[in-house]
Amino acid sequence: GGIITQTPKFLIGQEGQKLTLKCQQNFNHDTMYWYRQDSGKGLRLIYYSITENDLQKGDLSEGYDASREKKSSFSLTVTSAQKNEMAVFLCASSMGANSDYTFGSGTRLLVI
Amino acid sequence: GDSVTQTEGQVALSEEDFLTIHCNYSASGYPALFWYVQYPGEGPQFLFRASRDKEKGSSRGFEATYDKGTTSFHLRKASVQESDSAVYYCALGAITGNTGKLIFGLGTTLQVQP
Repeated sequence: GGIITQTPKFLIGQEGQKLTLKCQQNFNHDTMYWYRQDSGKGLRLIYYSITENDLQKGDLSEGYDASREKKSSFSLTVTSAQKNEMAVFLCASSMGANSDYTFGSGTRLLVI
Repeated sequence: GDSVTQTEGQVALSEEDFLTIHCNYSASGYPALFWYVQYPGEGPQFLFRASRDKEKGSSRGFEATYDKGTTSFHLRKASVQESDSAVYYCALGAITGNTGKLIFGLGTTLQVQP
């Protein structure tokens, strides 16, 4: 079976700092996603990529950049961390349209 | 745009109780519908999906039936266990653009007391 790995598991940053989150999958899935999870707000799509070097903005892309240089990896950058920000960032991959997702276990971000 | 509504934010039950979590969707056509479960400290896990009217999805004792008439995909389980305590998400596969995007509801936290 495959696995999807997110690093780091915990990330503490300072206000204004640029922070990068990484995601690797070995399912050979074409499509990868970054979601943000906040208490009471469900999962909101930040960026997704349907193939290597492709990037598509989700509903919450402002303040973030993404990169898909290889099919197996998808990174997310918080361009300027906001003070007191606390959220879980979830990476997922899928085979494409109407396919189920496999999620990573998340990166928990705290900005002080 | 497409959307998913989960009526209950939190559900508290005792072991062996019957569970219903309500999910209604708004979308044109026949979007794929999904249920995911998330345990503390983990990412959401796929439970099951359905793609056609009256199709039933099921897994681990949970089930839901796609109902185009009422635009619903309610999650049910006949007898819950303490280990079912988790957050449950209903999701819809966005049809526009055929990109594989899923639109998630806000989630329902299930707490089962022994």
